Amino acid sequence: AQSVTQLDSQVPVFEEAPVELRCNYSSSVSVYLFWYVQYPNQGLQLLLKYLSGSTLVESINGFEAEFNKSQTSFHLRKPSVHISDTAEYFCAVFATDSWGKLQFGAGTQVVVTP
Amino acid sequence: DTGVSQDPRHKITKRGQNVTFRCDPISEHNRLYWYRQTLGQGPEFLTYFQNEAQLEKSRLLSDRFSAERPKGSFSTLEIQRTEQGDSAMYLCASSLGLEKGYEQYFGPGTRLTVT
Repeated sequence: AQSVTQLDSQVPVFEEAPVELRCNYSSSVSVYLFWYVQYPNQGLQLLLKYLSGSTLVESINGFEAEFNKSQTSFHLRKPSVHISDTAEYFCAVFATDSWGKLQFGAGTQVVVTP
Repeated sequence: DTGVSQDPRHKITKRGQNVTFRCDPISEHNRLYWYRQTLGQGPEFLTYFQNEAQLEKSRLLSDRFSAERPKGSFSTLEIQRTEQGDSAMYLCASSLGLEKGYEQYFGPGTRLTVT
């Protein structure tokens, strides 16, 4: 079985400041890792994913996440946030021995203020 | 690519009534998933179809819940004898599996309120 822990339920941050959202997972098998974002009143959208290869993955809107196998973490970072980054962010894992169901964390609400 | 659609977007029902939700996946996607999301929580897996075959069901899916995907196209999720604890957002997602890096595309969800 897998589990995903997002250590912060809410992260307030000022515009243009950096932000880090923490995600730790546990699994007895290898996993693929995802970050999804949910803007207010919208559906979940994939932000970025790690399947293999380089442990640092980037999104088109400035977010990056680093897979750390020894620490079983997949933290999400952005060096400078915008008001439009206000959203809920979910970390998710896909166990390679499963049919592809995602196990989600509880989410981190990011609130960006001017 | 018109995205995943779900109908209805909102449903209010009285306890004890039956409800049915529909999901239309992205047309070429062979995998379809249902999740449930309650306030302050991440989505929880309910069930998974590959084409028309239902391959996995969560223990969350009690015998009051049933899902179908006839002909491997759209899917329906039915809840019989609804209870207040069924109030949640029901999300549908579809995927091509390995071909697209296991990315799941989510619909907007159906918000169920049981009064």
